[in-house]
Amino acid sequence: GENVEQHPSTLSVQEGDSAVIKCTYSDSASNYFPWYKQELGKRPQLIIDIRSNVGEKKDQRIAVTLNKTAKHFSLHITETQPEDSAVYFCAASRGGSYIPTFGRGTSLIVHP
Amino acid sequence: EAQVTQNPRYLITVTGKKLTVTCSQNMNHEYMSWYRQDPGLGLRQIYYSMNVEVTDKGDVPEGYKVSRKEKRNFPLILESPSPNQTSLYFCASSVREWSTDTQYFGPGTRLTVL
Repeated sequence: GENVEQHPSTLSVQEGDSAVIKCTYSDSASNYFPWYKQELGKRPQLIIDIRSNVGEKKDQRIAVTLNKTAKHFSLHITETQPEDSAVYFCAASRGGSYIPTFGRGTSLIVHP
Repeated sequence: EAQVTQNPRYLITVTGKKLTVTCSQNMNHEYMSWYRQDPGLGLRQIYYSMNVEVTDKGDVPEGYKVSRKEKRNFPLILESPSPNQTSLYFCASSVREWSTDTQYFGPGTRLTVL
């Protein structure tokens, strides 16, 4: 089955800095890579996703990149703000037919 | 409003006392699944269901049962709970679309087994 590794487990940055979270996956058939944000005491919610036919996707201050050859994808957050503080999960799946496998999560702390 | 609901939200019980956590979605999604979240271990899938009467084991199914008799409901059953099942549980649903498995999560159920 699929195995997703996520690093780092904790990331501490100053407000305004950039943050990068990296994930690797093992199943070359995976073609859908979502990222979820979980604020303290809340449910995980999708913030951005990327499909295997795309190398990069941006949405305001967040972006995701995908390298299919190396089987890794990353989340980039620019100009971080305190409200970006949360746990972020990456996931990989064969979209449309399978249930995703999640990484272990990254706790992002943005210091004012 | 499109949503996934879970009940109860909080539950404290004792070892061996059977319990059921309900999950319901109003989005007509085919897929539903249960996850448990533990510190440092992320979200681990317990069971999933691709449609009515179709269920399968996830990564950590031991000690759990599920059923899918209706499309909207996917209850999680702990026949004989043990302290190692103390965790935060999330139900999720998703729609079968091309190259998409976006998970819509319920609010979570915090279970403590004494």
